[in-house]
Amino acid sequence: GENVEQHPSTLSVQEGDSAVIKCTYSDSASNYFPWYKQELGKRPQLIIDIRSNVGEKKDQRIAVTLNKTAKHFSLHITETQPEDSAVYFCAASTGYSTLTFGKGTMLLVSP
Amino acid sequence: DTAVSQTPKYLVTQMGNDKSIKCEQNLGHDTMYWYKQDSKKFLKIMFSYNNKELIINETVPNRFSPKSPDKAHLNLHINSLELGDSAVYFCASSRQGGNFNEQFFGPGTRLTVL
Repeated sequence: GENVEQHPSTLSVQEGDSAVIKCTYSDSASNYFPWYKQELGKRPQLIIDIRSNVGEKKDQRIAVTLNKTAKHFSLHITETQPEDSAVYFCAASTGYSTLTFGKGTMLLVSP
Repeated sequence: DTAVSQTPKYLVTQMGNDKSIKCEQNLGHDTMYWYKQDSKKFLKIMFSYNNKELIINETVPNRFSPKSPDKAHLNLHINSLELGDSAVYFCASSRQGGNFNEQFFGPGTRLTVL
């Protein structure tokens, strides 16, 4: 089955800095890569996703890049704010609505 | 107008007891899921149902039994609870029709087994 590795497990940045979270996947058939954000005590929520026919996607301060050859994808957050502090999960999908999640990255943005 | 709801939000019980968690979605989705999130925040899928039929059953002890009375509900029954069952359980739902569909999560049920 699919295996998704996510790094780093924790990331501390200063407000205004950029943050990058990286994921690798094992199954070359995966074609959908969403990112979920989970604030403390809350539910995971989709923040951005990318499909395999696209190399990069941007939405305001967040962007995701995909390298299918290397089987890795990354989340980029620019101009970080304290409210960006949360756990971020990458995921990959190879089949019918099945998501395999990475182990999560705890992002802490200090004012 | 909650999209995915779960009850109860908190569940504290003794080892060996049997308990149920209920999930309902009003999004008209055809697929529902149960995830377990342990203390290290790892999200692991347990079950997936499509149109009331089980389509994914990951390696989960058979003490866990999902039941879907209709497309809008997916309940989780747990027999003979063990300490290791303590976790947050999330229900989720998505539209049918491929693997590009956003999953909407419920608020979670924090289960503590004493």
